[in-house]
Amino acid sequence: GAGVSQSPSNKVTEKGKDVELRCDPISGHTALYWYRQSLGQGLEFLIYFQGNSAPDKSGLPSDRFSAERTGGSVSTLTIQRTQQEDSAVYLCASSLAWSGPMGTGELFFGEGSRLTVL
Amino acid sequence: AQSVTQLDSHVSVSEGTPVLLRCNYSSSYSPSLFWYVQHPNKGLQLLLKYTSAATLVKGINGFEAEFKKSETSFHLTKPSAHMSDAAEYFCVVSDPGGKLIFGQGTELSVKP
Repeated sequence: GAGVSQSPSNKVTEKGKDVELRCDPISGHTALYWYRQSLGQGLEFLIYFQGNSAPDKSGLPSDRFSAERTGGSVSTLTIQRTQQEDSAVYLCASSLAWSGPMGTGELFFGEGSRLTVL
Repeated sequence: AQSVTQLDSHVSVSEGTPVLLRCNYSSSYSPSLFWYVQHPNKGLQLLLKYTSAATLVKGINGFEAEFKKSETSFHLTKPSAHMSDAAEYFCVVSDPGGKLIFGQGTELSVKP
């Protein structure tokens, strides 16, 4: 497709289970971001991949959260031993390579994966 | 570290009246700034961006924003609100590496 694709769109899980959320970025976009949006909250930065550089993991809230990006394209966000406070919409976005202040900077967002932890 | 503060969590205007959504930023260098919009049950969309070329930036749907370094502000305005403008608006600042930091958002309501 032409846009950023995320799956699943909805996920309900039990506390303590592991979940995987998938993101297919726009073809050719080298930058990929994961954000979390809780009800009534802004977007919380989680992790950022830029080409072959080491990812910026500074936003991951705990060591239960991890993400990888295979082949510079598809990314998977994994949450281990889920907790109720992990319930949120997880948004993925991609963009062309960031080239500093004059870089495009436009993020193209997916529809999100809504995670509910019971 | 870079950060943004959106001064109003909710703004309500009447259709046809001006819109002002306020944003202040904090950055240790000359930042890139953006406004994104999120309509109900829709994905986020870029409204406009500032990247030091011009301080007054025009975006889609009649929105514009002015970068004021002396006030560290990047307020979003529109001369005349339309019902379709009702949405959540996010002010965003970038860091040198390309990470984008979002504000808490301002919900805009438009009354008929």
